[in-house]
Amino acid sequence: SAVISQKPSRDICQRGTSLTIQCQVDSQVTMMFWYRQQPGQSLTLIATANQGSEATYESGFVIDKFPISRPNLTFSTLTVSNMSPEDSSIYLCSAHGTAYTEAFFGQGTRLTVV
Amino acid sequence: KNEVEQSPQNLTAQEGEFITINCSYSVGISALHWLQQHPGGGIVSLFMLSSGKKKHGRLIATINIQEKHSSLHITASHPRDSAVYICAVGPYNTDKLIFGTGTRLQVFP
Repeated sequence: SAVISQKPSRDICQRGTSLTIQCQVDSQVTMMFWYRQQPGQSLTLIATANQGSEATYESGFVIDKFPISRPNLTFSTLTVSNMSPEDSSIYLCSAHGTAYTEAFFGQGTRLTVV
Repeated sequence: KNEVEQSPQNLTAQEGEFITINCSYSVGISALHWLQQHPGGGIVSLFMLSSGKKKHGRLIATINIQEKHSSLHITASHPRDSAVYICAVGPYNTDKLIFGTGTRLQVFP
């Protein structure tokens, strides 16, 4: 199994600023993902964080707004840039080996933009 | 139509009751995950299965690949089981997961 430490757990930010969320995994994992969960909704995939190369973004999400880094197999960051109140959500990172392995999630970051 | 459908969306129960949450999906999958999300937001993996049945404590998960259906059962439910339960599937040929919208369970003493 893997344990993912995600921080911060929550933050209140001013519009127009940026917030970087970090995820640290206690073992090497092949795949890391970043999700957004808006109130009452299920998880929406933002991007797949690729080690050593640019992240792969889903439709509706762009690198300028959500830059992602993944310098090694245990760590990734997601930045929410130039925030607006519409970015208020829970952001979660996830990691797993392949589709046949258990998925692990961080504790989530509850972001409020005012 | 969503590729992963869960029912019911909301469920209330008295402590001790037997609970069933259902998940139907429309794509071919390599595995199905049952996840639990508490109000703080963190998600815990309960089961990953690709066939048959798994049991862990009071939780039982079953899957019927031919019918594209899975169920999560909770025996002798307890207020601490109150959470959102999410079904997610891993389609063939991708490492991404597709999530259901979740079932919000409240168990009252």
